Amino acid sequence: KNQVEQSPQSLIILEGKNCTLQCNYTVSPFSNLRWYKQDTGRGPVSLTIMTFSENTKSNGRYTATLDADTKQSSLHITASQLSDSASYICVVSAGREYGNKLVFGAGTILRVKS
Amino acid sequence: DGGITQSPKYLFRKEGQNVTLSCEQNLNHDAMYWYRQDPGQGLRLIYYSQIVNDFQKGDIAEGYSVSREKKESFPLTVTSAQKNPTAFYLCASSLTSGAYNEQFFGPGTRLTVL
Repeated sequence: KNQVEQSPQSLIILEGKNCTLQCNYTVSPFSNLRWYKQDTGRGPVSLTIMTFSENTKSNGRYTATLDADTKQSSLHITASQLSDSASYICVVSAGREYGNKLVFGAGTILRVKS
Repeated sequence: DGGITQSPKYLFRKEGQNVTLSCEQNLNHDAMYWYRQDPGQGLRLIYYSQIVNDFQKGDIAEGYSVSREKKESFPLTVTSAQKNPTAFYLCASSLTSGAYNEQFFGPGTRLTVL
């Protein structure tokens, strides 16, 4: 069964600290992996997208890593800000054989406090 | 000002009523999608459309209906057959339904059944 599991479910950190969010997936075949940021009551916004051949991609203070062999990804946030408080969703795209379907994780809720 | 819009932001429905959620995009995207988001779960695909006048069922289509008469519009009707319709509904669009095309999300509609 194609699944995406994220950990931790929620996380509280102090402003200025770093944090790392984890994503494990069983989706096969695998096409690409995406990280989205979703503010409360809003739609998700894309942070990064990586193919199986990429093992790291950055977007400002956000850095995503991918290990396609172990089917694991992480999102590292550097020097956190209050505006980073949101849900971070890992999304895996299955291959064309499955209509390029997206499989969504449940998200990690991050709260940054001052 | 390009983007994807959803209306209304909040919607209340009595049991037994049908309601229609609006989704409009001016990004000239061919593909559009409807997702449902419930607390603690990943987004689940309700319906998607790859091109005008064509749409396919997603994973949880029962109790929902859609139309795609115009490229810009993809309304979702939640019928009385949907047993548990209270949820946050997200519309998305992408240039095509290809594997590497980013999906852009609207701001969402929160539907509550009274």
